[in-house]
Amino acid sequence: EIVLTQSPGTLSLSPGGRATLSCRASQSVGANYLAWFQQKPGQAPRLLIYDASKRATGIPDRFSGSGSGTDFTLTISRLEPEDFAVFYCQQYASDPLTFGGGTKVES
Amino acid sequence: HLVESGGGLAQPGGSLRLSCAASEFTFSRYWMQWVRQAPGKGLVWVSLILSDGTGAVYADSVRGRFTISRDTAKNTFLLQMNSLRAEDTAVYYCVGGTGWLMKSWGQGTLVTVSS
Repeated sequence: EIVLTQSPGTLSLSPGGRATLSCRASQSVGANYLAWFQQKPGQAPRLLIYDASKRATGIPDRFSGSGSGTDFTLTISRLEPEDFAVFYCQQYASDPLTFGGGTKVES
Repeated sequence: HLVESGGGLAQPGGSLRLSCAASEFTFSRYWMQWVRQAPGKGLVWVSLILSDGTGAVYADSVRGRFTISRDTAKNTFLLQMNSLRAEDTAVYYCVGGTGWLMKSWGQGTLVTVSS
């Protein structure tokens, strides 16, 4: 099982700031099948990034993903008020599918 | 595009069946998964079924107790949950996508297991 560790647990930033979220895998994620999701309170998660660096349909370009192997990063270049939420990374390279524990981005 | 139903209160050892209604397009093309989230906790993958229904995969925590299936006549995906435990209490999300990718999420349905 691939264990995903996200850091930091909480990120305190202001609107307009830059957010850098980390996701580290316990073993290499095949084909970089790594996704990022955003979840706001009371809502279902929403796919932001897939294949480590591809933006999902309708996702603003201030969201970007990078990395390969075991180290991945989600960057939000300029935080908008609606971006504050919990973010999860997830690998879909091998069974069982696994999620990281989440990073809360708060203002 | 995905609408779950069937959640509610069940006793330990009891059963519930969750449904996920999909469009015909989604039903015929997407692999479907169930992901759960206990109150205040993170996301946990539960199960997956292939778009043609020929194969299914389960998390260790539910294998042998939960069964994922498709109802072709109703364009609906099902999760039959038996031998429920308190630790199964969670919001259950139906998720569709191409291959293993979790592309489209339903709004979730709450399952509470308690006596």
